[in-house]
Amino acid sequence: EPEVTQTPSHQVTQMGQEVILRCVPISNHLYFYWYRQILGQKVEFLVSFYNNEISEKSEIFDDQFSVERPDGSNFTLKIRSTKLEDSAMYFCASSEVERGGQFFGPGTRLTVL
Amino acid sequence: QKEVEQDPGPLSVPEGAIVSLNCTYSNSAFQYFMWYRQYSRKGPELLMYTYSSGNKEDGRFTAQVDKSSKYISLFIRDSQPSDSATYLCAIGRDSRYKLIFGSGTRLLVRP
Repeated sequence: EPEVTQTPSHQVTQMGQEVILRCVPISNHLYFYWYRQILGQKVEFLVSFYNNEISEKSEIFDDQFSVERPDGSNFTLKIRSTKLEDSAMYFCASSEVERGGQFFGPGTRLTVL
Repeated sequence: QKEVEQDPGPLSVPEGAIVSLNCTYSNSAFQYFMWYRQYSRKGPELLMYTYSSGNKEDGRFTAQVDKSSKYISLFIRDSQPSDSATYLCAIGRDSRYKLIFGSGTRLLVRP
């Protein structure tokens, strides 16, 4: 069964460093997302991406964050200058059609020291 | 008023019981509804999604939506210990936009 994959599974970085989290969505999907979940808290929306542009972004997704689909398969989230409060699980998701289910990857655990 | 409200539990039931999980939401602009299962430190696993009022069934799972009451439910029949997890409801407008998640209900199915 096709699935969303994410790398790395765990990333440790120093405050102020740049990180890139990578995702390979399900191959025929058209809608892509990033969410995050701080330990013990709700899953929070960061950004949605369709037709090579951002459809919606949350207040969390400030100028330190960016997304890119550099080729036909990868979808990346970049955090330019990490803060302690960016420590969380970051989930990539994808959806095939409008009003289709959003399928989540296993997540990348980001730890900012 | 929170956009999505979900009882955090924990909900403890014996194996074989019917489980009922519920969420309420406040904004009638939301038109589609999902249920996810999440094991500790794993990604949410999509169980059901629907964008209409009424019932949708898949195996042991039934999702129910009442848009007039802004109330959604997930029923699990013949619950198993392997169903022990956190269940998340999520609502959205359509795929271009965000899903808003509930806080999750922790379910424990006792053997």
